[in-house]
Amino acid sequence: GAVVSQHPSWVICKSGTSVKIECRSLDFQATTMFWYRQFPKQSLMLMATSNEGSKATYEQGVEKDKFLINHASLTLSTLTVTSAHPEDSSFYICSATDGYSNQPQHFGDGTRLSIL
Amino acid sequence: AQSVTQLDSHVSVSEGTPVLLRCNYSSSYSPSLFWYVQHPNKGLQLLLKYTSAATLVKGINGFEAEFKKSETSFHLTKPSAHMSDAAEYFCVVTRPNAGNQFYFGTGTSLTVIP
Repeated sequence: GAVVSQHPSWVICKSGTSVKIECRSLDFQATTMFWYRQFPKQSLMLMATSNEGSKATYEQGVEKDKFLINHASLTLSTLTVTSAHPEDSSFYICSATDGYSNQPQHFGDGTRLSIL
Repeated sequence: AQSVTQLDSHVSVSEGTPVLLRCNYSSSYSPSLFWYVQHPNKGLQLLLKYTSAATLVKGINGFEAEFKKSETSFHLTKPSAHMSDAAEYFCVVTRPNAGNQFYFGTGTSLTVIP
């Protein structure tokens, strides 16, 4: 089946630093990737949708200057949390799809981000 | 508009007994529906999908779901629960030709009692 690799799985850093999370589709071309945030015991909240080679589309309330998304190739998207603060601590999950309608998204294993 | 309602936030079953996780959807279009499972500190794994073919969909690990248009439901079932089934389950609806954007239910936490 389709595999999406997300790295790192866990990161702890100081307040004010920037953190980059990578999402790679290993065995298919991901024309569209999604970034989600998940709070404890809650469902996934879509942050942004990125299509290869174009700017990401951010959901309402998500700061695009805070959460920088790059989707430069068909197999890689990155999310950079800039100047991270404790309130940015969360579980971030990416997913990827080949872009065909009605097809499932394939999810990475998530990144646990803890800002001290 | 698309939306999904998972009727139970938490379900407990004994090992070996049937599992029923309920999901109702709302969609202005013929929907595609999915069930995903999430184990602690992990991403989501696809259990099964409905995309307008057979209404009874069989998935992995013995799970299945039936699409009932008249009831706008897509309940997830399994005849016999296993300890390893304990996890969070999400029902998802998508809108055709909308870039595969997912609309998630709030999730159902399944506990399996030995």
